[in-house]
Amino acid sequence: GAVVSQHPSWVICKSGTSVKIECRSLDFQATTMFWYRQFPKQSLMLMATSNEGSKATYEQGVEKDKFLINHASLTLSTLTVTSAHPEDSSFYICSAKDGSTNEKLFFGSGTQLSVL
Amino acid sequence: SQQGEEDPQALSIQEGENATMNCSYKTSINNLQWYRQNSGRGLVHLILIRSNEREKHSGRLRVTLDTSKKSSSLLITASRAADTASYFCATNLPGNQFYFGTGTSLTVIP
Repeated sequence: GAVVSQHPSWVICKSGTSVKIECRSLDFQATTMFWYRQFPKQSLMLMATSNEGSKATYEQGVEKDKFLINHASLTLSTLTVTSAHPEDSSFYICSAKDGSTNEKLFFGSGTQLSVL
Repeated sequence: SQQGEEDPQALSIQEGENATMNCSYKTSINNLQWYRQNSGRGLVHLILIRSNEREKHSGRLRVTLDTSKKSSSLLITASRAADTASYFCATNLPGNQFYFGTGTSLTVIP
């Protein structure tokens, strides 16, 4: 199956700093990637849909200036958490639709963000 | 919210027993998918059922879909300890979004 690589897997940062998370499709081109946020023992909440070469579509309640998404190529989307605060601490997961059927999602392994 | 609801929230069974979890959703869908997540990891795709399908099998997995009731079920037969994980249904909407259910935490006791 398709492989999605997400990096870093774990990051600890000070309050006020910015953190960039990368999501790469390794063996296929992903015109669309999705960014999710997950709190412990809860479901995945869709944050935004990232489309290559255009602006991301954010879900209601998600601050676009806080969570900057860039999808500059067909294999890379980045999520930058700007001026992170402790309440931003969470598990962030990216996913991409497979290129063949365009139906299934392939997930990165997730990034655990801890803001001190 | 487009998020679906799953029940039960948690399920604990003995190895060898069958596990059934249910998912309900709110709007029209292109397809519905089931994913598995081990603690602190990404999700793994298990099975997809399209809106015009009623039942699908894959190994020990059986999925049903009732679009009139907007519900789906996942049956895992002859469960194993390695099946212990969280299971999520995801609805693929016509607008290209994927929304996940609340999840069922399955524990299979050896």
